[in-house]
Amino acid sequence: DAGVIQSPRHEVTEMGQEVTLRCKPISGHNSLFWYRQTMMRGLELLIYFNNNVPIDDSGMPEDRFSAKMPNASFSTLKIQPSEPRDSAVYFCASRRSRETQYFGPGTRLLVL
Amino acid sequence: DAKTTQPNSMESNEEEPVHLPCNHSTISGTDYIHWYRQLPSQGPEYVIHGLTSNVNNRMASLAIAEDRKSSTLILHRATLRDAAVYYCIPYNNNDMRFGAGTRLTVKP
Repeated sequence: DAGVIQSPRHEVTEMGQEVTLRCKPISGHNSLFWYRQTMMRGLELLIYFNNNVPIDDSGMPEDRFSAKMPNASFSTLKIQPSEPRDSAVYFCASRRSRETQYFGPGTRLLVL
Repeated sequence: DAKTTQPNSMESNEEEPVHLPCNHSTISGTDYIHWYRQLPSQGPEYVIHGLTSNVNNRMASLAIAEDRKSSTLILHRATLRDAAVYYCIPYNNNDMRFGAGTRLTVKP
């Protein structure tokens, strides 16, 4: 099993640019989670999906952030426009109901 | 969501046991107690979980208080590779939210 796959692993962009982060969950997992980690705020849950449907997006910081899950094997987190304060490590995680949650390696985003 | 309280940091010597405490006094009756850890520059990884009884696996042991308001993760022989942030998370099939965790330093 390849585990949760995230791309890109590193992203450097300039303020105002659009950023798209990608995640491929583990096959057979029906829940997917996006987290953001910073030194100041720790590991924050942004949004999660059950069976491709967004369930709770209360953690999404503002309208500049959006997430989609068009099918069971792919999700995106988009930031448009990006700002320096969005610099963080973004993690994707997946699981089956009531089972262990598995995290991807993360995308390290730097917005200049 | 149940709130958790963990020490900010702990130190251990290599090859010695480590007991990492967690208070979760507002835990609901159906929440499992999960422990995850995050090694440097990696995503969190599962360590162990339990409901009421103590649990053992190849990585660690979990001791759960009888009233379930606290638990202790036990690493029987700490190695340098166990240096990480350890998170205690009461959880029941909803969203998994992380607190600040305990940063474990292992000294050679």
